[in-house]
Amino acid sequence: GAVVSQHPSWVICKSGTSVKIECRSLDFQATTMFWYRQFPKQSLMLMATSNEGSKATYEQGVEKDKFLINHASLTLSTLTVTSAHPEDSSFYICSARDGPGADTQYFGPGTRLTVL
Amino acid sequence: AQSVTQPDIHITVSEGASLELRCNYSYGATPYLFWYVQSPGQGLQLLLKYFSGDTLVQGIKGFEAEFKRSQSSFNLRKPSVHWSDAAEYFCAVVDTGGFKTIFGAGTRLFVKA
Repeated sequence: GAVVSQHPSWVICKSGTSVKIECRSLDFQATTMFWYRQFPKQSLMLMATSNEGSKATYEQGVEKDKFLINHASLTLSTLTVTSAHPEDSSFYICSARDGPGADTQYFGPGTRLTVL
Repeated sequence: AQSVTQPDIHITVSEGASLELRCNYSYGATPYLFWYVQSPGQGLQLLLKYFSGDTLVQGIKGFEAEFKRSQSSFNLRKPSVHWSDAAEYFCAVVDTGGFKTIFGAGTRLFVKA
């Protein structure tokens, strides 16, 4: 089946630094990738939708200048948390679709970000 | 706007007992419906999905779900729970136009010996 990987699986950083999280589709081309955020014991909240070669579409309330998303190729999307603060600590999960109109997402294993 | 409601925050069942997790959705047309399971600190695993056709769908790990349009429900069931089923379960809906997935709040399943 389709596999999506994330790197790193966990990261600890100091407040004020930037952190990049990679999301890769390993065995398919992902025209659309999604980034979710999950706080402890809560559900997944969609942050943004990215299509290869175009700007990401952010959900209401998500700061686009703080959460930079780049979808430079059909197999890679990156999320950069800029000037991270402790309140950005969360579990970030990406997912990918393998074509327009495809109805199933393939989820990555998630990245645990802890900002000290 | 579409939404998903999982009324039970957590459920505890005995090992070997049957399980039903509730899910209600709000959507104008027939949505695409999914159930996912998440173990602590892990990503999501797809259990099953409904797009159309037979309203009773079979999934992995012995799970099944039934789509009931009249009740706007898509409840997840398993006839005999195993201790390894303890996890968080998410019901989700995808709108056929926007391709966005909306997740329910999740139900935490505890399994007691």
